[in-house]
Amino acid sequence: GENVEQHPSTLSVQEGDSAVIKCTYSDSASNYFPWYKQELGKRPQLIIDIRSNVGEKKDQRIAVTLNKTAKHFSLHITETQPEDSAVYFCAASITGGGADGLTFGKGTHLIIQP
Amino acid sequence: DTGVSQDPRHKITKRGQNVTFRCDPISEHNRLYWYRQTLGQGPEFLTYFQNEAQLEKSRLLSDRFSAERPKGSFSTLEIQRTEQGDSAMYLCASSSRDTGPPDTQYFGPGTRLTVL
Repeated sequence: GENVEQHPSTLSVQEGDSAVIKCTYSDSASNYFPWYKQELGKRPQLIIDIRSNVGEKKDQRIAVTLNKTAKHFSLHITETQPEDSAVYFCAASITGGGADGLTFGKGTHLIIQP
Repeated sequence: DTGVSQDPRHKITKRGQNVTFRCDPISEHNRLYWYRQTLGQGPEFLTYFQNEAQLEKSRLLSDRFSAERPKGSFSTLEIQRTEQGDSAMYLCASSSRDTGPPDTQYFGPGTRLTVL
C-alpha cells in the first residue's frame, strides 16, 4: 500500500519568514495530493491540493509543488502569520480507481514565533 | 450548518462494550469516508462508501468494526467488544465528483472515543 513520509515533524519560523514542509510517497499510481491544516481540537481543513498532471499550484501565500519522478511534493507558506500556527498534514491517494482513501503523513507542527 | 456532522462528539465506554457512531455527510455528497486519528498522528483510512456501496476497506478495519450506509446518505460505524487500543478520534469525511471540486474530502468534527 501507499506510504507517505513527512518532514520535519516540528518547524519553528519567525513571523514573516517562509516555511517549507516536504513529503514523499511510495506508490507511483497516486495522483491526488492534498494538504490539510489542523488546529488543536479541530477538524482537518483542506488548504490546497494538487493533481499529478500539474507541477505547481499557488493560492495567495500558499503554494504546492509536485515532482512525480522523484515522488515528492512540498508545501510552501510565505509571509507567515501567527494564525498559520497549526499541524499540517500531507496526503496522497489514487482517485478514480476505487482506492480513494487518503494516506496521510504524520504531520508537521508549525510554530510561528512573533 | 451544511458541513459534515458527527454524533456523538464524545463517547466514554468500558472495555468489551459495543459503540456506534453516526456521520451525516454534506448534502448530495455521494462519497463518504471513515478515518481514525490517534494523538500526534495523521488520520488513518478505515473505509469508503460510494452511495450505499462499501468500495474500500483498510486492513486496519478488524472484524470488530463494521460500517454501513444503507440509503446512501448517513453512515454508521460500529465497534464491537471495544478494546483500550480503540481509543481515538473517529473522523468522517465526504466528497462528490458531481458537485464542487472533485475528490476534495471535507471532514467532520470527529467522535472522540475513550475506552476505559
